[in-house]
Amino acid sequence: DIQLTQSPSFLSASVGDRVTITCRASQGISSYLAWYQQKPGKAPQLLIYSASTLQSGVPSRFSGRGSGTEFALTISSLQPEDFATYYCQQLNSYPFTFGPGTKVDIK
Amino acid sequence: QLQLQESGPGLVKPSETLSLTCTVSGGSISSSSYYWGWIRQPPGKGLEWIGSIYYSGSTYYNPSLRSRITISVDSSKNQFSLKLSSVTAADTAVYYCARHVWGPLNWFDPWGQGTLVTVSS
Repeated sequence: DIQLTQSPSFLSASVGDRVTITCRASQGISSYLAWYQQKPGKAPQLLIYSASTLQSGVPSRFSGRGSGTEFALTISSLQPEDFATYYCQQLNSYPFTFGPGTKVDIK
Repeated sequence: QLQLQESGPGLVKPSETLSLTCTVSGGSISSSSYYWGWIRQPPGKGLEWIGSIYYSGSTYYNPSLRSRITISVDSSKNQFSLKLSSVTAADTAVYYCARHVWGPLNWFDPWGQGTLVTVSS
């Protein structure tokens, strides 16, 4: 199975901050990576697929980049509604696996 | 707007079989390019993909659960289902169903709201 690691595990930030979360894969996965946002008690929501394609309806302050084994999710200006846990998921090969998550909290 | 809704018992006894159904509304489960997936999340923990099914019945399963899971589809009801046998406390989780956009690119969207299943006697 392809293992994903995320850093940091926890991030404390203020409204307006630029935030970057990284995701590393244990082997190359081309651009087959998605990012999800999960708020407490809610289902995950797709933010980005194919590493850098913004899902329809997702604010443009979210962006993704990377290929191979190194990926990043950036929020250009953190908004109050962005405080949540973020997960990456590799879709290069079965079984699809998720990273352990990064919790973004209010500073 | 496509919506998915999980249903099933919230409490299952150890060694028994967990059974959940996902009802799809606002679209057809028989649409091409879409599989339909199950994902679970133990309380306070991360996400685990369980498996996905096409309307024809073709499936992909997580090998870690393959011996215990069956995913089936009922196109006439626009539903797909999950059965997980021989459950233990480790299977306690929120179970989500989701549309699995399938092809050279894959992703899961949208998701159902999730249903908590507790394994306890």
